[in-house]
Amino acid sequence: GQQLNQSPQSMFIQEGEDVSMNCTSSSIFNTWLWYKQDPGEGPVLLIALYKAGELTSNGRLTAQFGTTRKDSFLNISASIPSDVGIYFCAGQSRNFGNEKLTFGTGTRLTIIP
Amino acid sequence: GAGVSQSPSNKVTEKGKDVELRCDPISGHTALYWYRQRLGQGLEFLIYFQGNSAPDKSGLPSDRFSAERTGESVSTLTIQRTQQEDSAVYLCASSLDPGPKTGELFFGEGSRLTVL
Repeated sequence: GQQLNQSPQSMFIQEGEDVSMNCTSSSIFNTWLWYKQDPGEGPVLLIALYKAGELTSNGRLTAQFGTTRKDSFLNISASIPSDVGIYFCAGQSRNFGNEKLTFGTGTRLTIIP
Repeated sequence: GAGVSQSPSNKVTEKGKDVELRCDPISGHTALYWYRQRLGQGLEFLIYFQGNSAPDKSGLPSDRFSAERTGESVSTLTIQRTQQEDSAVYLCASSLDPGPKTGELFFGEGSRLTVL
């Protein structure tokens, strides 16, 4: 089955630092998405990417859909305390009739006081 | 309600008992997903519904797991003869009709299952 490798697994940063994480796949996806999960809650969509090479921003977040369609990255600039949480990439193949979304293993972001 | 609603939020059961977890998706969302998240782990795909049909059941771990959806709305995930390894948070999500934005999932808060 499809495998999504996400790195790093965890990050410890100071407030104000920039953050970068990425995701690679063994197969091609039509859509890449990035979600954030806070403790005790379900994941929430941050950014969705629909075309190879697409670069999209949402406030301090920037994500790109790799040109090979097998990878994506997420950058967070000038981190703030509310950025703490677990970030998941997700890929969707959108084979006809099957819209299954496969999630990466997650990147846990911690801000050191 | 405005969001995806799941019940119960917490369930503690004894090994060997059956459990049912319920999901009420956002009104009008025809796609519905179930994922399992073990403590400190990522999201493991279980099953996906388009309307009342399940095009992909490939993630169901064993025949003890089953799910159904009725009226293109409520879905129930049933785990029979629960085992301790079934302990996890079960997350439900829904999304709009087939189209380019079907990956934009809206998640519930999950049902935390603990099997003693």
